[in-house]
Parts: sequence; C-alpha cells; structure tokens
Amino acid sequence: GAGVSQSPRYKVAKRGQDVALRCDPISGHVSLFWYQQALGQGPEFLTYFQNEAQLDKSGLPSDRFFAERPEGSVSTLKIQRTQQEDSAVYLCASSLGRTGFSGNTIYFGEGSWLTVV
Amino acid sequence: AQTVTQSQPEMSVQEAETVTLSCTYDTSENNYYLFWYKQPPSRQMILVIRQEAYKQQNATENRFSVNFQKAAKSFSLKISDSQLGDTAMYFCAFMKQVGNQFYFGTGTSLTVIP
Repeated sequence: GAGVSQSPRYKVAKRGQDVALRCDPISGHVSLFWYQQALGQGPEFLTYFQNEAQLDKSGLPSDRFFAERPEGSVSTLKIQRTQQEDSAVYLCASSLGRTGFSGNTIYFGEGSWLTVV
Repeated sequence: AQTVTQSQPEMSVQEAETVTLSCTYDTSENNYYLFWYKQPPSRQMILVIRQEAYKQQNATENRFSVNFQKAAKSFSLKISDSQLGDTAMYFCAFMKQVGNQFYFGTGTSLTVIP
C-alpha cells in the first residue's frame, strides 16, 4: 500500500476485555515496529519484527501484551484483559531495511487510539 | 541506557519568524542517529530531519536545520520562516547505529501564530 495502515483507528474497550490492533506495513518492508504513546508522552518502543521473526520484544510491558507477524507482512498487537493504564495510542512503523534503521526511512502509521473504560 | 530530554513543553512563534527547539540526549554510544519528528493531531509521525552522528556538517532540509553539538550531546532544531502548517508536536529521537528502536523525548508543542 501507499503507507502504513492501522486499524481500528479508535477502540473503546471495557476493562478486562481483549483487544487486537492491526498493522498493514508498506508492501515489501522487512522491518516492523510497534510503539505505545501515552497522553502527553513520546512514543515508547514495544517490539520489533524482521519479516516474521520477532527479534526484540523487550518493550512489551507485561505478558498481557502479545504481537505477531506470521507471514512477514501484516502484524497484530493483542492486549489481553485490558486495564486503564493500557489507554494510549499504539503506533506501527515499517522500514525497508533488515536491521531496523540502516539508512532507510522509517514510516509511521496514524496509530490506533485505545481507551479502556 | 539512552535518554532524550526536551525541556520546552510548549513554544510559540509568529508566522514568518524563526524558532529553535532544544533537545539534549545521553548515550555512551559513539555512532548513532538523531531525528526530529513532527506529529500533527492525526498522530502520524512525520520525519522532519535526521543527522548521522559521524557527520560534522549540520543537516538541513529546506526551512529546517539542526545545530548538532556532539560533545555537548545537543541537537536543536531551527525552523525558519515559520508557517501555520508547522503547528504540531515535535519529538526529538535517538537511535543506535545498529538498532531497532527509537528513544523519544517528551515533545515540544509548537504553535505558529498568524
């Protein structure tokens, strides 16, 4: 596609509900990233994929967070038993390069706004 | 650990004037990349400018330029001839040379006043 596409754009979840956020990266992009941006803060790294391999998940805040990219293109970020502190914008980004940033531009989507009530 | 600090939560500038946004960072790395991203209300992060730490020459992109002081670990953004469309949040970010994650500051909200 022309850009990184994320869905849903807005999601309201009741506390304890499971949610799934989808990211369609730019076609052919090898690297894919997820970031969490709380209100008034800068984005914080969650996880990184190179093709289908999840090479870094050090930023995932708890075992309630799970991400996958089974075929090396579309990625899903799943949050189980959502809590109010999970309320944030979840940003997806992709890059052509294999090792994250290697001179290639990283493109961000518009994010999925999650509100947990 | 890498940290990025933006000490100006909010700034404003008159249209057509020049404004400078500050950023400092802390790292033990010698080679790395620095970025300024713009985030409008749509929340999409848009790359404004980037700087490779091994380059002494300051990066420029049209009305946007940086003042990169490696020894001082400072990376400020200068916006010349400010336009109404420049109104947005601006984030300074750091990435290791071989890395896969950005370290972002907390942002500066810039308002261009007509």
